[in-house]
Amino acid sequence: AQTVTQSQPEMSVQEAETVTLSCTYDTSENNYYLFWYKQPPSRQMILVIRQEAYKQQNATENRFSVNFQKAAKSFSLKISDSQLGDTAMYFCAFMKHATTSGTYKYIFGTGTRLKVLA
Amino acid sequence: DADVTQTPRNRITKTGKRIMLECSQTKGHDRMYWYRQDPGLGLRLIYYSFDVKDINKGEISDGYSVSRQAQAKFSLSLESAIPNQTALYFCATSDLPGRARNEQFFGPGTRLTVL
Repeated sequence: AQTVTQSQPEMSVQEAETVTLSCTYDTSENNYYLFWYKQPPSRQMILVIRQEAYKQQNATENRFSVNFQKAAKSFSLKISDSQLGDTAMYFCAFMKHATTSGTYKYIFGTGTRLKVLA
Repeated sequence: DADVTQTPRNRITKTGKRIMLECSQTKGHDRMYWYRQDPGLGLRLIYYSFDVKDINKGEISDGYSVSRQAQAKFSLSLESAIPNQTALYFCATSDLPGRARNEQFFGPGTRLTVL
């Protein structure tokens, strides 16, 4: 069974600094997708960044980038130039859709609460 | 207007009561999902539906039922609420695999408290 582990329940970073949130996952699949979602205090879930497992190049979205290590099953999120608005809960997620069997998997980690300090 | 809406946003009820949480979407997606979020446990999938005739159990479906009334509507019911169903409930939608970056689009959540 697939699992997603976020080992850092809480983290803090000074404004303008860089922070890395870790995520590891366990799967026997070769083709899948990985995501980072952000949940600010408003509790709205917002997609931050995604990565296709078949792509070797790490995804980037402005100040957000990932370090995808497929062999190590690691998918960390780096936030550069942290801003106060980055304060939120961050969830790592794994998605696999097996078209032949119809099996669908979208599994979330337990989250990392990030606080950006002024 | 929000693409995915949930009603109610907050609800307090008593043990044994029947509760329905409703979700509507204007994104035109066929796929809809219900999750619950608990502190320290992340989001867990309760039920999902790939179209109006397709309903599937998720990781934690016991004690819940769903109804897909139309492409745009997907409701979650607690037939007899119990205190450990106190949680934040999210509805989500997604397009077909490979579209819209496989992103799930979430509603604003319903905070349910069962006394």
